[in-house]
Amino acid sequence: GQSLEQPSEVTAVEGAIVQINCTYQTSGFYGLSWYQQHDGGAPTFLSYNALDGLEETGRFSSFLSRSDSYGYLLLQELQMKDSASYFCAVPGGYQKVTFGTGTKLQVIP
Amino acid sequence: DTAVSQTPKYLVTQMGNDKSIKCEQNLGHDTMYWYKQDSKKFLKIMFSYNNKELIINETVPNRFSPKSPDKAHLNLHINSLELGDSAVYFCASRRGTGGGNSPLHFGNGTRLTVT
Repeated sequence: GQSLEQPSEVTAVEGAIVQINCTYQTSGFYGLSWYQQHDGGAPTFLSYNALDGLEETGRFSSFLSRSDSYGYLLLQELQMKDSASYFCAVPGGYQKVTFGTGTKLQVIP
Repeated sequence: DTAVSQTPKYLVTQMGNDKSIKCEQNLGHDTMYWYKQDSKKFLKIMFSYNNKELIINETVPNRFSPKSPDKAHLNLHINSLELGDSAVYFCASRRGTGGGNSPLHFGNGTRLTVT
């Protein structure tokens, strides 16, 4: 089966940098995705890492270490609108996508 | 145009009732899903269909019955609703042959409250 663990909550200051970690245990690994979900909204796709290393998309970057079964999402120049829940996810067999436990990020002034 | 749309947005009903949630996607995707998000925000997969064929059924009670009349539609019917069914139900779609980096596209969710 698949399991993905994340910290439940993270608080950071506006303008700062925050890292949200994800450790996973999977049978078969195809890559690690990240999704953002604002309160009352739908999850939306942020990034995907198939290979080790850092992928950058604007203020957001995502990192993967396959040997450590670990990845993280890095948010820079935090803005109040970044307050949301963030989920890591792994695609698996039969088109299954399993989500992590989710991290609620609170950005404070 | 909304890519993945589901109705209704809110559903309040009593225990024992039967209700349905409808989902449609206009992205041309082959694979559609139902996810359940509970009060702790865990996103748990329930079902997945690929080209109208059921491919994932995640130990969901028989009271939940998905139906896919065509690859653009996936509906969820729930019989004999229980208090524990209260949650937000998300429909999603994904390009089936896109590999691991094919993202899920979610509908806006249906908040089901069973009283």
